[in-house]
Amino acid sequence: ETGVTQTPRHLVMGMTNKKSLKCEQHLGHNAMYWYKQSAKKPLELMFVYNFKEQTENNSVPSRFSPECPNSSHLFLHLHTLQPEDSALYLCASSQDYWGQTNQPQHFGDGTRLSIL
Amino acid sequence: AQKITQTQPGMFVQEKEAVTLDCTYDTSDPSYGLFWYKQPSSGEMIFLIYQGSYDQQNATEGRYSLNFQKARKSANLVISASQLGDSAMYFCAMRELTSGTYKYIFGTGTRLKVLA
Repeated sequence: ETGVTQTPRHLVMGMTNKKSLKCEQHLGHNAMYWYKQSAKKPLELMFVYNFKEQTENNSVPSRFSPECPNSSHLFLHLHTLQPEDSALYLCASSQDYWGQTNQPQHFGDGTRLSIL
Repeated sequence: AQKITQTQPGMFVQEKEAVTLDCTYDTSDPSYGLFWYKQPSSGEMIFLIYQGSYDQQNATEGRYSLNFQKARKSANLVISASQLGDSAMYFCAMRELTSGTYKYIFGTGTRLKVLA
């Protein structure tokens, strides 16, 4: 069983739809992250939460809205997306955002999002 | 400027041979961590190995070893005795403290294909 679970695995939606991506971690970590992975581009960090508080928002358009109700769950609410938003969205967790540099991130399987 | 550079978009290796995946990095922070991740076609990012900037010895994890050359700012991944299941994308990443916040920075990846 993977320590970080993302649902759904695949999502196809129209530009006017509203949907949510879900991430759950079972590792007892306190930091959670959303990344966007597009073809031939480095991973783009979108949001960081540490102990449920948003620590980083890397100039992400407002059509992406994160929610972190507790340290184990992270959501990404999607609304009025554009075709260029089609990508693999990866959730990750780590022990603590402010911890030592030897903390790896543990990733989920990702949600492959296609915008029609 | 690129913080993490992976110059090999794709590599081939014969099964049971060793292969080296290159990674160079750029940071002015004396304390940083270097990571390698494997991403199979299914999408999940799997943590492989970690090297700290103050570690005196090269990190090893099973068939994975990290050739850390601090003065040259390189952290190459060596996979010994390649297996067909090693075919995947491999990402080099760095965690550094920048402007009071921690950043995980990823390279663009190297696609490894192991040939039977």
